[in-house]
Amino acid sequence: QQPVQSPQAVILREGEDAVINCSSSKALYSVHWYRQKHGEAPVFLMILLKGGEQKGHEKISASFNEKKQQSSLYLTASQLSYSGTYFCGTDRAGGSYIPTFGRGTSLIVHP
Amino acid sequence: GAGVSQTPSNKVTEKGKYVELRCDPISGHTALYWYRQSLGQGPEFLIYFQGTGAADDSGLPNDRFFAVRPEGSVSTLKIQRTERGDSAVYLCASSLTGPGALGANVLTFGAGSRLTVL
Repeated sequence: QQPVQSPQAVILREGEDAVINCSSSKALYSVHWYRQKHGEAPVFLMILLKGGEQKGHEKISASFNEKKQQSSLYLTASQLSYSGTYFCGTDRAGGSYIPTFGRGTSLIVHP
Repeated sequence: GAGVSQTPSNKVTEKGKYVELRCDPISGHTALYWYRQSLGQGPEFLIYFQGTGAADDSGLPNDRFFAVRPEGSVSTLKIQRTERGDSAVYLCASSLTGPGALGANVLTFGAGSRLTVL
């Protein structure tokens, strides 16, 4: 069962912040975040393995709340290069660490 | 190789034909995954190999789809009697040690093979 991402799309100006949410109807062991630019392969951003853990990548960080079965991706002071579609991936089966991806959130950063 | 290589990058075929899509993973990566991505959707899991064996093929939509990895490196996804609904980008990914190894399951994706069934 695929995770649900929100919002579906975000439009920002350079320097603004954004939050992308990912929720699952089942228990989570891991959450993956990937970014895909148009016509390119998805690129790994981070994987979160423990509840409440936050990780960072450049000015992008994420949190993982096991109890709420949710993860959020935080993009701070967004840059033009952040534009793309962000996918969260949650475990296919308990502890498998193979991601089942959501439908994605399209992020557009304008100058 | 330096990255995951997929061939062909584009394939146009007619309904009912047989298609093979090839994936060459990063050298030394034991785990290999096939996903497919339709327009506006996230990647949909198809199958996962650990070494030569298919450890999880539960994502294959039906028996027209089959994948092999005979020597634990290159993999081929085979689609028989193609249908228009099979049109999608087929993504291959590899990872160093595969799922279950904490923190090791970072997937590196190839650029994909775009399949169009007319």
